[in-house]
Amino acid sequence: DQQVKQNSPSLSVQEGRISILNCDYTNSMFDYFLWYKKYPAEGPTFLISISSIKDKNEDGRFTVFLNKSAKHLSLHIVPSQPGDSAVYFCAAIRSGQKLVFGQGTRLTINP
Amino acid sequence: DAGVIQSPRHEVTEMGQEVTLRCKPISGHNSLFWYRQTMMRGLELLIYFNNNVPIDDSGMPEDRFSAKMPNASFSTLKIQPSEPRDSAVYFCASSPLWVSYEQYFGPGTRLTVT
Repeated sequence: DQQVKQNSPSLSVQEGRISILNCDYTNSMFDYFLWYKKYPAEGPTFLISISSIKDKNEDGRFTVFLNKSAKHLSLHIVPSQPGDSAVYFCAAIRSGQKLVFGQGTRLTINP
Repeated sequence: DAGVIQSPRHEVTEMGQEVTLRCKPISGHNSLFWYRQTMMRGLELLIYFNNNVPIDDSGMPEDRFSAKMPNASFSTLKIQPSEPRDSAVYFCASSPLWVSYEQYFGPGTRLTVT
């Protein structure tokens, strides 16, 4: 009963190009979505978020898109840099309840 | 300002032994969370506390797992007896808010049970 799914365990992108990480969810009651980034031997760190009342949120090179009808979330990184190589976790929450994470996608940026 | 502190960073133990993982949350944070990361299931919430009180332990796998938070600056996750399938990375996170939109994670404890 995985409510948040990241179907791509890994993604490889050339430096300078766009990285697109995808996330699907099943619970239409989620009202807030987040992306966390994790480097090896470190804990996840918050990257960017979006409320369910919006369909786009941008922060520098990072943009999150939300398609509520499709129950789909994506993170765009442009241009991709070597330091972006990490595991990215999608997460969702319903007010007053716990955060639910996806399985993660390992992004590798190739020089 | 120190972030969330976890100890030990690595633990190797034999099946059947007791394992205790420790966490010091960020000072002033009211909520504390224990997660387990595995390849298959990603980050799973095991239990969380608000103001030192356990709120939801529905993610705790079985009775072999227990967690305590005796005060605002310390929490433990205990596995007794440990089994090889418990091998994973265990994260502690804290949040200043009851509604945990943004959590601050510790570096994790990598547990290996042989």
